[in-house]
Amino acid sequence: GAVVSQHPSWVICKSGTSVKIECRSLDFQATTMFWYRQFPKQSLMLMATSNEGSKATYEQGVEKDKFLINHASLTLSTLTVTSAHPEDSSFYICSFSRGDTQYFGPGTRLTVL
Amino acid sequence: DAKTTQPPSMDCAEGRAANLPCNHSTISGNEYVYWYRQIHSQGPQYIIHGLKNNETNEMASLIITEDRKSSTLILPHATLRDTAVYYCIVRALIKAAGNKLTFGGGTRVLVKP
Repeated sequence: GAVVSQHPSWVICKSGTSVKIECRSLDFQATTMFWYRQFPKQSLMLMATSNEGSKATYEQGVEKDKFLINHASLTLSTLTVTSAHPEDSSFYICSFSRGDTQYFGPGTRLTVL
Repeated sequence: DAKTTQPPSMDCAEGRAANLPCNHSTISGNEYVYWYRQIHSQGPQYIIHGLKNNETNEMASLIITEDRKSSTLILPHATLRDTAVYYCIVRALIKAAGNKLTFGGGTRVLVKP
C-alpha cells in the first residue's frame, strides 16, 4: 500500500496558539486528500477535502477560518489549527486518494492545555 | 453512500479464522464494499474492497453475498496484532464525490491467546 507520513506525531500546546500539522505522501502523487479528526472512543469524522491548487471543501460544522488547509503540492498538505482551544484536542488524521483507495497517515495527537 | 451495520465487538481466538460480518441492505449497484482497520492510536489501514465478486489478498478475504446486502471479512489466521477496530464502508466510485469515506462505529475485535 501507499505510504503517508504526518508530522508531528503528537503536540501539546497552550490555549490560543496555532499548530501546523504536515501530511506527506511518500511514494505517489495525489490530487485529492482528506483531513479527519477522531475524538476519544469515537469514529473518524471527515473535516475537509482538498484538491491540489484549489481551496478545500469543508464539511458542515467545520470552521474553515479555524482549520486552515493548504494543499501546496501533489505530495504535501498542511492543516493549521488556529487559536487552538482545549476542545480542539483530538487525533487528526490525513489521507491521500490513490485510484479507488484512500491511504491514511499515522495521525497526530493534539492536546491543548 | 449506503449505511452499514456491524456488531460493536467480538472476540477471536489466536490462530483461528476471524469472520467479521457487515450488513449493507441498502447498497446500490455502483457501490463498493471497503474494509479498513484501525489499531489503537494509529491511522486506518486499508484491507480490501470489492464490488460483487469475492476478493482475496495477503491480508484477508472478502465474501459478498449474491444479493450484495451483506458481506464478511475473513482473517484466515488471527494473530494478537490483528486486534483493532474494523470498519466496513460502502461507497460509490464517483469522481464528483471525491472518494470520500464515511466511517461508522466499526467492530472492535479482540484476539485472545
